Amino acid sequence: DIVMTQSPDSLAVSLGERATISCKSSQSVLYTSNNKNYLSWYQQKLGQPPKLLLYWASLRDSGVPDRFSGSGSETNFTLTVSSLQPEDVAVYYCQQYYSTPLTFGGGTKVEIK
Amino acid sequence: EVQLVESGGGLVKPGGSLRLSCTASAFSFRTYSMNWVRQAPGKGLEWVSSISPGGDKIYYADSVRGRFTISRDNARSSLYLEMNSLRADDTALYYCTKDTRVGDPGDAFDVWGLGTMVTVSS
Repeated sequence: DIVMTQSPDSLAVSLGERATISCKSSQSVLYTSNNKNYLSWYQQKLGQPPKLLLYWASLRDSGVPDRFSGSGSETNFTLTVSSLQPEDVAVYYCQQYYSTPLTFGGGTKVEIK
Repeated sequence: EVQLVESGGGLVKPGGSLRLSCTASAFSFRTYSMNWVRQAPGKGLEWVSSISPGGDKIYYADSVRGRFTISRDNARSSLYLEMNSLRADDTALYYCTKDTRVGDPGDAFDVWGLGTMVTVSS
C-alpha cells in the first residue's frame, strides 16, 4: 500500500499570507508512460463533504481560485495557498490514485492566526 | 446540477447488516466509475470501494473485503454498498463519490454526496 504522509498536522497563518502543506508518498505516484502524477488535493470545511481542489498534482478543478496551486512529482508534493482568505479555513487532504488501495494523507488543519 | 444523494444509514448492532444507496443525477452515470469513501467521527478519509462503469472491475479496502459488496444499477443511476458483519470500527459517515474522468477506477473524486451516517453499537 502507498502511505501518504502530510505535514504539518496543523498550521495557523495570517490573513493574506502564504500557507504551504507537504504531502509525501511512500512510493512514486508518477506514471512514466504518460508523465502524470496520480495525486489530488481536497479541501474539507467543517460539516461539509470534501471538495476537489487539484488533480494530476497541479491542475485546478473547475471554479477553484487561482490562489490554490500544487507542485511536486514522484513522492514529494506541495499545496500552496498564496494569500490565505477567511473561507480557506479547512482541513486539507492529499490522495494518491496511482494504485489500489487508494489512500489519503492524514489531513492538515489550516486556521487563521 | 451534478448531484449524489446517499441514503440507508442508521444504527445497527455489531454483526448486523445495512445497505447504503446513492442516487446520481445530471451526469451520464453509466460512463463513470463510482466509489465509497468513509470518515469516522473526527477522523480522516478512508477509501472503501470502487466499481467500474460496467461493474466488471471492483476493488475493496482490506478492512472491508469479504464483508462489504459494492454494486450499481446504471438504469437507475444508483450505486449501492451492502455491508455485512458490521463492527464498531465501521462507524463512519459514508460518502458516495464520482471519478473525474470516464473509464476504469483509479481517479480523483470530483463530486461527493453529503454522506449517510452508519453507527455500529450495541
